Amino acid sequence: KQEVTQIPAALSVPEGENLVLNCSFTDSAIYNLQWFRQDPGKGLTSLLLIQSSQREQTSGRLNASLDKSSGRSTLYIAASQPGDSATYLCAVKYMRGTALIFGKGTTLSVSS
Amino acid sequence: NAGVTQTPKFRVLKTGQSMTLLCAQDMNHEYMYWYRQDPGMGLRLIHYSVGEGTTAKGEVPDGYNVSRLKKQNFLLGLESAAPSQTSVYFCASSHSLGRETQYFGPGTRLLVL
Repeated sequence: KQEVTQIPAALSVPEGENLVLNCSFTDSAIYNLQWFRQDPGKGLTSLLLIQSSQREQTSGRLNASLDKSSGRSTLYIAASQPGDSATYLCAVKYMRGTALIFGKGTTLSVSS
Repeated sequence: NAGVTQTPKFRVLKTGQSMTLLCAQDMNHEYMYWYRQDPGMGLRLIHYSVGEGTTAKGEVPDGYNVSRLKKQNFLLGLESAAPSQTSVYFCASSHSLGRETQYFGPGTRLLVL
């Protein structure tokens, strides 16, 4: 079964810390992997999209890496801020199938 | 650009009632999707559309119907609502089927009593 797992489910850090969110997937035959942000009661906002041929993508303080062979992706957030508090979702587009397969998310809380 | 909009934002239904959720996008996207998000389950694809007049089943299609009469609109219907359909429903759209990011609407919270 094609699955996406995110660890940890929740994370609390003080402002200014660098942190890593983890995502693992079960099949290396993927088109791409995306990281989304979801604020409470809101929709999803795309943060980074990594195509299967890429190793990483960067946007501002965010850096996402992809290792297909090990079935892992990490989202690195540098110098965290209270405004980064949200749920972060990892989603994989497998070559077999139509749907984006989502992880259950990591809920991040950054305290000032 | 409004992006992806959803109507209504919140609705309470009684078991057996019907309703239609409306999704609209102004980005000229070919592909549109309906997801549901449940605690502990993540987002799951209900139905999707690869263009005007075409729809297909996703992972959890039972109890739902969809229509794409206009390119910019994607409707999700519940003919006879059940408590198991209490969820948050998200619509999304994209240029391509999987190669590019999907843009999500703000969601519709549905409570079925």
